[in-house]
Parts: sequence; structure tokens; C-alpha cells
Amino acid sequence: DAKTTQPTSMDCAEGRAANLPCNHSTISGNEYVYWYRQIHSQGPQYIIHGLKNNETNEMASLIITEDRKSSTLILPHATLRDTAVYYCIAYAGNMLTFGGGTRLMVKP
Amino acid sequence: AAGVIQSPRHLIKEKRETATLKCYPIPRHDTVYWYQQGPGQDPQFLISFYEKMQSDKGSIPDRFSAQQFSDYHSELNMSSLELGDSALYFCASSPRGTNYGYTFGSGTRLTVV
Repeated sequence: DAKTTQPTSMDCAEGRAANLPCNHSTISGNEYVYWYRQIHSQGPQYIIHGLKNNETNEMASLIITEDRKSSTLILPHATLRDTAVYYCIAYAGNMLTFGGGTRLMVKP
Repeated sequence: AAGVIQSPRHLIKEKRETATLKCYPIPRHDTVYWYQQGPGQDPQFLISFYEKMQSDKGSIPDRFSAQQFSDYHSELNMSSLELGDSALYFCASSPRGTNYGYTFGSGTRLTVV
């Protein structure tokens, strides 16, 4: 699976949009971009995924650049409960590999 | 909605003992994954099963074994426990394929003393 690069940590004010970037310049054509988050000591939680097109669900939006070398996860109105480690993973269907996520701290 | 069920939630064992962790996937999910997460670390893939056959193998020690049964539940067996095996163990399930997210259980916290 392609390696992804994310900022180690980010802060966001409660109620504002949180934009979490991810670089995946070596992603191959059959790899999806998946986002998961892990709230302290809980099981990782699936957020959203996409291949080429932008995606939106009830939790977040995923913007993937046209060349697929990077993406941004957008939490439109961050709450304190969104404080977590966010993982961007290039996934081709064998197993998810977690590493180097972004610790997002949502502050009042 | 049904979730992935793991048991027990907490387990305390002594060194050199054995432990068995259980995972009950979401109905109709045919693939099960096991992860280990040490303190302050990211989840590390151990092993996965698809339709009761081992599918992929990660950094699983030889002291550990796992299987998936006919009802799709899975068990992770850990022998000769070491202090370093103390960790959170997560199970996840999904339908087979690249277009499905994994659903993770709440984990089993294993403490080896």
C-alpha cells in the first residue's frame, strides 16, 4: 500500500471547519483513500473513503485532488467530541495499515 | 445496528500463561481482522481471515494463533504471554472488497503481570 503523510497534530476551534490534509503521492490506481479516526483507547472508526471523486457523508467530506496525490478530510463543524487521531490510509483491499495519523485537538 | 462484539473487555494474565480473545463479527461480514495496539502506538495488523481461511498475516508472533469458525466468529489464542504483550487487541470485520470500511470492536485490554 502507498505511504501517506499527515501533519502530526492540528488544533481547531469548536464550531469551525477542521481541514485535515494527507499526501499520498505514490498512490496507485487501484488504491482507495480511506479515513479513520480513533478516539482515545476506542476502536478505530470508519469516516469516509473515495477513489477519484469527492465524497460526502453525514460525518465528513473528502476532497481528492485530480492527480490523486493528496486529499483533505473536512469536518464541517468540529465539536469537542471530534478530538481524536485521524488516519489517512491508501487501501487496496488486503489489510489496513495504520501509521502517522494527525492528532486533532478541538478547543472550546 | 449490530456491531463487532469482543470478549472479554479486560483480561489480566500472568507471564507464561495463555489467553484467548473472542470476536463476533457483524452478520454477513465474511472477513475478520485482528490488530494489536501497544501504549502510545498505532494499531498494528496481526492477521485476517476470509471465509474461515487465513487471508493475510502481519506482525503476529509465533506464540499467537487464530482461527475463524463456521459461524464466522474468530478467536485469537496467545500462549507463553510476555509483559510486552500487554496491549489493546481490536477485532474488525467487513465484507470482502476494497469499497467497504472496516467496523472495529471496542477491543480487549490485555494486561500481563
